[in-house]
Amino acid sequence: EPEVTQTPSHQVTQMGQEVILRCVPISNHLYFYWYRQILGQKVEFLVSFYNNEISEKSEIFDDQFSVERPDGSNFTLKIRSTKLEDSAMYFCASSPQGRTYEQYFGPGTRLTVT
Amino acid sequence: GENVEQHPSTLSVQEGDSAVIKCTYSDSASNYFPWYKQELGKRPQLIIDIRSNVGEKKDQRIAVTLNKTAKHFSLHITETQPEDSAVYFCAAQSNYQLIWGAGTKLIIKP
Repeated sequence: EPEVTQTPSHQVTQMGQEVILRCVPISNHLYFYWYRQILGQKVEFLVSFYNNEISEKSEIFDDQFSVERPDGSNFTLKIRSTKLEDSAMYFCASSPQGRTYEQYFGPGTRLTVT
Repeated sequence: GENVEQHPSTLSVQEGDSAVIKCTYSDSASNYFPWYKQELGKRPQLIIDIRSNVGEKKDQRIAVTLNKTAKHFSLHITETQPEDSAVYFCAAQSNYQLIWGAGTKLIIKP
């Protein structure tokens, strides 16, 4: 069964550095999402992406964040200048055409900002 | 915007007994309600979902009920087993995003 994949599984970075988190959504899916989960807390929506543009974003997704689909398979989340409070698990998800409500999650990237 | 409340935060049941987790939502326009199971250090996995035109859905030992008038929905797990131990999250769809509850840690006692 196809799954969403994410790399790296764990990323450690210093405050102020840029990070790029990578995701490969399920191949025939057209809607892509990023969520984050701070340790022990609920999952929070960051952004959704369709047809090469952002369709919705939350208050968390400020100017420090950006997303890109650089080719036909990857979907990336960039944090320009990381802060300590960006430390969290970041999940990518994808949905098939016409079923945006069915979101399948990747294994996550644990981002640690020191 | 949508807000989802989930209770209890921790639920401990004897193996073989039933477990019920409850959620409420605020946005009457929400029409899709999934439940995710998350084991420690792993991804959330979709275990069951329900759309607003249905009042109940069942899949083996798992069932979900929805009361649209009261804006609440519940997860029922019967004949609980050790492998049911995990954190369970409810969610409600608002536009493209899922708004998540805070999670329920389900502990199955042998």
